[in-house]
Amino acid sequence: EVQLVESGGGLVQPGGSLRLSCAASGFSISNYWMTWVRQAPGKGLEWVANIKGDGSQKYYVESVKGQFTISRDNAKNSLFLQMNSLRAEDTAVYHCARWITGATYGLDVWGQGTSVTVSS
Amino acid sequence: QTVVTQEPSFSVSPGGTVTLNCGLSSGSVSSGNYPSWYQKTPGRAPRPLMFSTNTRSSGVPDRFYGSILGNKAALTITGAQADDEADYYCVLFMGGGTWMFGGGTKLTVL
Repeated sequence: EVQLVESGGGLVQPGGSLRLSCAASGFSISNYWMTWVRQAPGKGLEWVANIKGDGSQKYYVESVKGQFTISRDNAKNSLFLQMNSLRAEDTAVYHCARWITGATYGLDVWGQGTSVTVSS
Repeated sequence: QTVVTQEPSFSVSPGGTVTLNCGLSSGSVSSGNYPSWYQKTPGRAPRPLMFSTNTRSSGVPDRFYGSILGNKAALTITGAQADDEADYYCVLFMGGGTWMFGGGTKLTVL
């Protein structure tokens, strides 16, 4: 079964750091662009970052540039999001997802998400 | 900055047809924005519905279909059912490797 499972969320103080992980099973992430999407409480979905299959290209939403870093370990079939200098507005459920690309583009597999709360 | 726009809410009667729209605050949506659509209910992961304008995700019934209508992407739901009640999000390619979700449309079936 194709599956993504996030972990690493929790409660963190403002200014703190967290590293989110996303473990893939049922497919090899090396063949796919991967992404992080978040949803703050009561808000909509927000695209956060993308990374190419070989890690050679990374893109971020403007609001997290220089603060978050997306990475991957294809040998461990895992995706990561390093989040530094966290602010209250980073409080959200963070989902990882897989992009299909080529003839069609879209996020075809999603994880359930991991919750991040930034609060003192 | 250009943002992706969606109607905040819509209602449809059971069995009815509704078209949800996805636009740009400046300019027109085209197939080159690769619009895709997702259904979101509380506590669950987003469910993919439509890729690249009009390619249904696996298992999505054909009463869901996507198109470009005028200067917007559109998701049309026919024969609306109670379990279609959800939030619907589109996401567009904005260029420069970046993507943007719309604010979502809350669909009520009543």
